[in-house]
Amino acid sequence: DVKVTQSSRYLVKRTGEKVFLECVQDMDHENMFWYRQDPGLGLRLIYFSYDVKMKEKGDIPEGYSVSREKKERFSLILESASTNQTSMYLCASSLSAGLYGYTFGSGTRLTVV
Amino acid sequence: AQSVTQPDIHITVSEGASLELRCNYSYGATPYLFWYVQSPGQGLQLLLKYFSGDTLVQGIKGFEAEFKRSQSSFNLRKPSVHWSDAAEYFCAVGGLAGGATNKLIFGTGTLLAVQP
Repeated sequence: DVKVTQSSRYLVKRTGEKVFLECVQDMDHENMFWYRQDPGLGLRLIYFSYDVKMKEKGDIPEGYSVSREKKERFSLILESASTNQTSMYLCASSLSAGLYGYTFGSGTRLTVV
Repeated sequence: AQSVTQPDIHITVSEGASLELRCNYSYGATPYLFWYVQSPGQGLQLLLKYFSGDTLVQGIKGFEAEFKRSQSSFNLRKPSVHWSDAAEYFCAVGGLAGGATNKLIFGTGTLLAVQP
């Protein structure tokens, strides 16, 4: 089975800090995704990548950037963390989203204080 | 516009009762449909998926879903709910487009509570 690993389950950061959320998948998937999940709002796409060094903005990219230097790793960067970025962050990967769906990581619960 | 609607935000059922979670979609091409489940504090796990063929698909944990093209629906069902089924359920739709458009569209989720 494909495994998607997010480096931290829980993270507490201070306002203004630069935050890195790491995601690694082990099945050579082209496509990787970052979502944030908030109560009542469902999953909102932040950024996705369909190839190394390729990235596309999702629905809510403001305040975030991403990096994909290697196929297996997709990093989400909060340039200057703010309290409204407190959320659950989910990483996913896919060979072909339509055919196979996504495989999700376990999530990172980020709290910005 | 492409979208997925889950009309029920929160549902409560008694243990042993049957369950149906509703999902309606709007998609311009042939839809590929998915149901995911999320236990508290966890990521999402794939329950089942529909590509083509038999419109009734079986998934893990005793769940099934029926694709009805005429109603643009893909409702999830379980004949007898267990307390461990309490979770949030997400419906999603995708297609065969490649590259930058290769992503799923999710509904906002239905939170299922199970009463003893």
